Amino acid sequence: DAKTTQPPSMDCAEGRAANLPCNHSTISGNEYVYWYRQIHSQGPQYIIHGLKNNETNEMASLIITEDRKSSTLILPHATLRDTAVYYCIVRGTGTASKLTFGTGTRLQVTL
Amino acid sequence: DTAVSQTPKYLVTQMGNDKSIKCEQNLGHDTMYWYKQDSKKFLKIMFSYNNKELIINETVPNRFSPKSPDKAHLNLHINSLELGDSAVYFCASSHDTGVGYGYTFGSGTRLTVV
Repeated sequence: DAKTTQPPSMDCAEGRAANLPCNHSTISGNEYVYWYRQIHSQGPQYIIHGLKNNETNEMASLIITEDRKSSTLILPHATLRDTAVYYCIVRGTGTASKLTFGTGTRLQVTL
Repeated sequence: DTAVSQTPKYLVTQMGNDKSIKCEQNLGHDTMYWYKQDSKKFLKIMFSYNNKELIINETVPNRFSPKSPDKAHLNLHINSLELGDSAVYFCASSHDTGVGYGYTFGSGTRLTVV
């Protein structure tokens, strides 16, 4: 599975959009981009995933560049409860493919 | 209703003991996983079962033995516990092994070996 690179930390003011970048320059054609987050002391929580089209759900939007070498997770109106570590993961197909977590981005939402 | 439940939530035990952590999911998922999160917060997959069959077995000491009595349960038994086994263990499940599905994680079991 392709490796991802994320900034170690970011800050965002409450009510503003949080844009979390992720580089995955070695992604291959059949690999998906997943985003998870882990709020302190809790289990990771699935946010969104996509292959090449932009995706949106009730939690966030995922923007994937045309060459698929990078993506951005957008939390449109961040709240204090969105403070967490956000993981960008690239996962391939196949029975033995797995979610491999990196170090993620620690997002701190402030008043 | 809890989707993926783990018991116990906390476990403190002495070195050399044998302990088990239980996991149950009521989502009707076919695939279940065990992850370990160490003190540096790295989350690493240990095992994966699909319909009670082992499909992923990472480089884990053979003191760790998963057991899946049915597809709703995946238990983790650890023999001869060591200090380095102290970590938070997360169970997870997914609809199947396909890439179109996210994982649902439990709230974790914090294991402390003293």
